[in-house]
Amino acid sequence: SQQGEEDPQALSIQEGENATMNCSYKTSINNLQWYRQNSGRGLVHLILIRSNEREKHSGRLRVTLDTSKKSSSLLITASRAADTASYFCATSKTSYDKVIFGPGTSLSVIP
Amino acid sequence: DAGITQSPRHKVTETGTPVTLRCHQTENHRYMYWYRQDPGHGLRLIHYSYGVKDTDKGEVSDGYSVSRSKTEDFLLTLESATSSQTSVYFCAGGKGAGELFFGEGSRLTVL
Repeated sequence: SQQGEEDPQALSIQEGENATMNCSYKTSINNLQWYRQNSGRGLVHLILIRSNEREKHSGRLRVTLDTSKKSSSLLITASRAADTASYFCATSKTSYDKVIFGPGTSLSVIP
Repeated sequence: DAGITQSPRHKVTETGTPVTLRCHQTENHRYMYWYRQDPGHGLRLIHYSYGVKDTDKGEVSDGYSVSRSKTEDFLLTLESATSSQTSVYFCAGGKGAGELFFGEGSRLTVL
């Protein structure tokens, strides 16, 4: 399998704190993506980072990629109760290969 | 995402019966995917399609078949449903290995 683990499996923080989630993978990749899933809904794309990029920002989201360690992290700054959701990373070996997801991190932001 | 529609959204069936889940898209996505989501496993890829009549197996394809006779529709068939196929099924579409757009899911219960 090309996908590894995400950690932590579950994370609970207070509103206003930062949340960091990590993703590891096993094979070389073309890109890595992060998705969000609210309870009972489909996944929504957050950000994509390519293998030749090290860091990417989108609003309160910051994603890093370390290809030497085969790992990525998603940082959500100044979290809000509305950020409560499950977060998944997904990888592809090439730009036209299938997209494989990890098991996800469940984030709870307490008001 | 309004561009990906899954049907039925909920289905209860009995062991041994055939089941077909339909995914319809209006965004001209070349790639389409079927995933299943189970607690503790995240999303696991069942089958995917990279064009009309072009499909390939994913991680958990046993017991499932797919068909794509036109760009808009991607069908997932369980020839003889088993209780282990009780799950939430998600369809997704995209242009390649980049951003995927998800349907709202189909909850299948096999008694």
